[in-house]
Amino acid sequence: DVKVTQSSRYLVKRTGEKVFLECVQDMDHENMFWYRQDPGLGLRLIYFSYDVKMKEKGDIPEGYSVSREKKERFSLILESASTNQTSMYLCASSLVGANVLTFGAGSRLTVL
Amino acid sequence: SQELEQSPQSLIVQEGKNLTINCTSSKTLYGLYWYKQKYGEGLIFLMMLQKGGEEKSHEKITAKLDEKKQQSSLHITASQPSHAGIYLCGVHTGTASKLTFGTGTRLQVTL
Repeated sequence: DVKVTQSSRYLVKRTGEKVFLECVQDMDHENMFWYRQDPGLGLRLIYFSYDVKMKEKGDIPEGYSVSREKKERFSLILESASTNQTSMYLCASSLVGANVLTFGAGSRLTVL
Repeated sequence: SQELEQSPQSLIVQEGKNLTINCTSSKTLYGLYWYKQKYGEGLIFLMMLQKGGEEKSHEKITAKLDEKKQQSSLHITASQPSHAGIYLCGVHTGTASKLTFGTGTRLQVTL
């Protein structure tokens, strides 16, 4: 079964800490995405990548960066976590030209 | 940018009842995706609608695309507790299979 694995389901961090959220897919997908989900706001795209070492900003990239050194792994980095980054973070992947995204189970981050 | 509005925002129905969720787009719909999310988990793909008038069904869930109204509806027949969750519609914007999602409809099914 195809899988997108997010390494941490729940994290609690302090304001100012550097946070890494890891996402790994085993489907050889070219495209990978990071979304955040907040009540009343739905899913919003932070960053996406369509190839190794390639990245593009989504709708809300401020305060985040990403890294894609290998095809299967896409990392979301919060350089200095803030309380307004408390959220559910969802990683997804897809094949080039395919329109269906496969999602991971999510990482719920709380920043105190 | 294209925006998707879902209605209702939340819904509580008794088991066995039918229900409909709507997704309305601010721009012409060329295709629409429905996903379901169990509480606290990731999204699961339900179905994709690509043409105006298209209707698809999966088990007791039916979705339709009305291009003229720029709207899609998702209908659940004889709801069950397993249908509970958040339903989200999404459309492609730009390149690289990016999806823009609606704000979601939270469904609870009571016994």
